[in-house]
Amino acid sequence: EDQVTQSPEALRLQEGESSSLNCSYTVSGLRGLFWYRQDPGKGPEFLFTLYSAGEEKEKERLKATLTKKESFLHITAPKPEDSATYLCAVQSHNNAGNMLTFGGGTRLMVKP
Amino acid sequence: DGGITQSPKYLFRKEGQNVTLSCEQNLNHDAMYWYRQDPGQGLRLIYYSQIVNDFQKGDIAEGYSVSREKKESFPLTVTSAQKNPTAFYLCASSIVTAGTYTGELFFGEGSRLTVL
Repeated sequence: EDQVTQSPEALRLQEGESSSLNCSYTVSGLRGLFWYRQDPGKGPEFLFTLYSAGEEKEKERLKATLTKKESFLHITAPKPEDSATYLCAVQSHNNAGNMLTFGGGTRLMVKP
Repeated sequence: DGGITQSPKYLFRKEGQNVTLSCEQNLNHDAMYWYRQDPGQGLRLIYYSQIVNDFQKGDIAEGYSVSREKKESFPLTVTSAQKNPTAFYLCASSIVTAGTYTGELFFGEGSRLTVL
């Protein structure tokens, strides 16, 4: 059974204070790992797809990295508008229909 | 603009009543999904559909039903058999490549159902 665990559950940062969010996963045959951003009361918004260990993707202040057991979402010099819940999900080659398994999310709060 | 429209945004239901949540997309995506989100938990898959008139159960399908009569529409009915229906419901769509669902999902704004 595929499993995704995100940590920490919540993270408070001062504006400009860089940090990382963790996504640990167990999957039989990783097809892809996905990061989403979710604002309160809204649907998630797709950020990145990572396919293999060593891969990195960047978008503005966000950088996602992938190893064989975990992914990190690095946030450099965050701003208050980066406050949101960040969701990680994995897709395996082996589960029926290749559906995503989501983690519980990390709620990020950036204070000015 | 292309996107996914869910309605209603908020819905209140008495115990024992069925309710239907609407989901419409104009992205021309083949696949559509319904997820449930509870506070502090990840998204859990209720039903998904790759083509018209075909759909599959997800991890928590009990107490829910769906239909896919048109490519653009994938309504979800929460029946009285669902024991704990209060939750945030999210509809999503994606393209399908070579028979495989992509993990890049486009989500609607969600519908919050409260059972009184």
